[in-house]
Amino acid sequence: ETVLTQSPGTLSLSPGERATLSCRASQFVASRYLAWYQQKPGQAPRLLIYAASSRATGIPDRFTGSGSGTDFTLTISRLEPEDFAVYYCQQYNRSPRTFGQGTKVEIK
Amino acid sequence: QAQLQQSGPRLVKPSQTLSLTCNISGDSVSSNSAAWNWIRQSPSRGLEWLGRTYFRSMWYSDYVESVQGRGSITADTSKNQFSLQLNSVTPDDTGVYYCARDPGRGIGGEPDAFDIWGPGTMVTVSS
Repeated sequence: ETVLTQSPGTLSLSPGERATLSCRASQFVASRYLAWYQQKPGQAPRLLIYAASSRATGIPDRFTGSGSGTDFTLTISRLEPEDFAVYYCQQYNRSPRTFGQGTKVEIK
Repeated sequence: QAQLQQSGPRLVKPSQTLSLTCNISGDSVSSNSAAWNWIRQSPSRGLEWLGRTYFRSMWYSDYVESVQGRGSITADTSKNQFSLQLNSVTPDDTGVYYCARDPGRGIGGEPDAFDIWGPGTMVTVSS
């Protein structure tokens, strides 16, 4: 199974700052099979990015996905109050589909 | 816009069977491109994909190894829904269970991200 390791575990930032989240895979993941999700308390995850760099419908352009091979990044250019949440990467290259353990972006 | 709505008991006794259903609106469980998934979330396991079912001229299902043999995901085309059954549950199966759609990409449904999720069902395994 492909293990996804996210770092850091927690990111403490202020609104307006830039957030950089990392996702490292234990084996090669084709870019078209890497996604990022946002989850807020009591809600289901919401798709932000698919195919490593494509924004899902309605996702603002301050969210950018990049990377290839085993290293992927989600960047939030300027944090808005509603962006403070937990973010997960996921691969759908192989079964079983797997998720990272999450990065919590909290208000500093 | 497709939507998923979940139903099923929130409390299951150890050794019994957990059964959840996901009702689909705005899409078809028999779609030749989509796949229909179950995912659970718990503090100890994080987000864990459990398995999926999909139709490509015939029905297919596959599962994560940890539920292989005691889990089953099936579709009911007459009700446009799909279901999860998990046998012989233990307290370790406690968590929030989500259904989710992989819409598929292109003809034949290349794998895609989970774009639509159900609201989640908190299931507790306890006597």
